[in-house]
Amino acid sequence: KNEVEQSPQNLTAQEGEFITINCSYSVGISALHWLQQHPGGGIVSLFMLSSGKKKHGRLIATINIQEKHSSLHITASHPRDSAVYICAVLFGNEKLTFGTGTRLTIIP
Amino acid sequence: DAGVIQSPRHEVTEMGQEVTLRCKPISGHDYLFWYRQTMMRGLELLIYFNNNVPIDDSGMPEDRFSAKMPNASFSTLKIQPSEPRDSAVYFCASSLGSRADTQYFGPGTRLTVL
Repeated sequence: KNEVEQSPQNLTAQEGEFITINCSYSVGISALHWLQQHPGGGIVSLFMLSSGKKKHGRLIATINIQEKHSSLHITASHPRDSAVYICAVLFGNEKLTFGTGTRLTIIP
Repeated sequence: DAGVIQSPRHEVTEMGQEVTLRCKPISGHDYLFWYRQTMMRGLELLIYFNNNVPIDDSGMPEDRFSAKMPNASFSTLKIQPSEPRDSAVYFCASSLGSRADTQYFGPGTRLTVL
């Protein structure tokens, strides 16, 4: 069965802390997406990965194909990073499967 | 570009009524996706199109749901008849090149069926 698990479900941290959100999946994939959903509901695609590492500003996404695991890191976290972060995985030729999301709250 | 445009942003209707949600993808994008988000089930892919052709509709919950893409700049998701359990936020997204590429999401339509 194609499964996607995210951890933690909820994360609260102080401004400036280094944040890590994890995503594990059950079988081989074609691609993995990290999405950000703001408190207002809008969804933004942060990264699409099939291997290695990508960086955009304070955000870094990594994927380990052998371990079937991806991480999203936020450096120097800020209250505006507060959002739900969702991992979505494309298994082979099947449809995107979404994780349940990690709700991140950054306290000033 | 204005991004993906969805209308209406909010819809409140009574059980049994027909509901039509609309989406305008980013110009030039050849993939269009319809998603549904609920508290219980999170985000789910309902259907996606490539070059206006439905490719995978296995996520459409039942025959009450239908989607069309008559041209490259417009798609509709119709629910007839609507039921309270259809209450959710419906997102449209588009991408260029493949299913695996970055998807750009619309603001969503919040549907409430009373």
